[in-house]
Amino acid sequence: SQTIHQWPATLVQPVGSPLSLECTVEGTSNPNLYWYRQAAGRGLQLLFYSVGIGQISSEVPQNLSASRPQDRQFILSSKKLLLSDSGFYLCAWSLSYTEAFFGQGTRLTVV
Amino acid sequence: AQSVAQPEDQVNVAEGNPLTVKCTYSVSGNPYLFWYVQYPNRGLQFLLKYITGDNLVKGSYGFEAEFNKSQTSFHLKKPSALVSDSALYFCAVSKSTDKLIFGTGTRLQVFP
Repeated sequence: SQTIHQWPATLVQPVGSPLSLECTVEGTSNPNLYWYRQAAGRGLQLLFYSVGIGQISSEVPQNLSASRPQDRQFILSSKKLLLSDSGFYLCAWSLSYTEAFFGQGTRLTVV
Repeated sequence: AQSVAQPEDQVNVAEGNPLTVKCTYSVSGNPYLFWYVQYPNRGLQFLLKYITGDNLVKGSYGFEAEFNKSQTSFHLKKPSALVSDSALYFCAVSKSTDKLIFGTGTRLQVFP
């Protein structure tokens, strides 16, 4: 069966520090991969999505970047965190024409 | 561009009563529609989907949703609400392999 791993669960980082959040999927090949941010327990903002290795689409200009170095690995990064980067980050995967499956999320607090 | 609207920030219903959580969408062509539920500090859990076929789809935990193409709606329903159904519900739309876009969420509160 397929599983998705996202870590860490919580993270507290100072302003100006770098960020790396990792997400890996097991049990499937060539998934669509997504990074979302959820602010204040409400709507999900799509940050990045990827349909294949090295193919990244950015939805919102921001202080973040994403990479897909392997088929089932999706990384969210920042060189210098801002206070406004705080939030709940969710990774998800899907196949064509199917529902998405989500990781458990990372609560990022920038102080 | 595709979009999803959930017009209600919160829906309150008494336990045992029917519930409806509204969703309308905008997408060119045929949409793929989804409902998800989120419990506090957790990821989203898939409830049900409409891809094609019967307009009434049944999903997990007794939930169902009706696809209405003329009204571009995909409302989530349950005949009898439970207190444990209290959570944040999200409607989402995609088109084939395109990005998956979520609505702003509706908080469902079921009172005993």
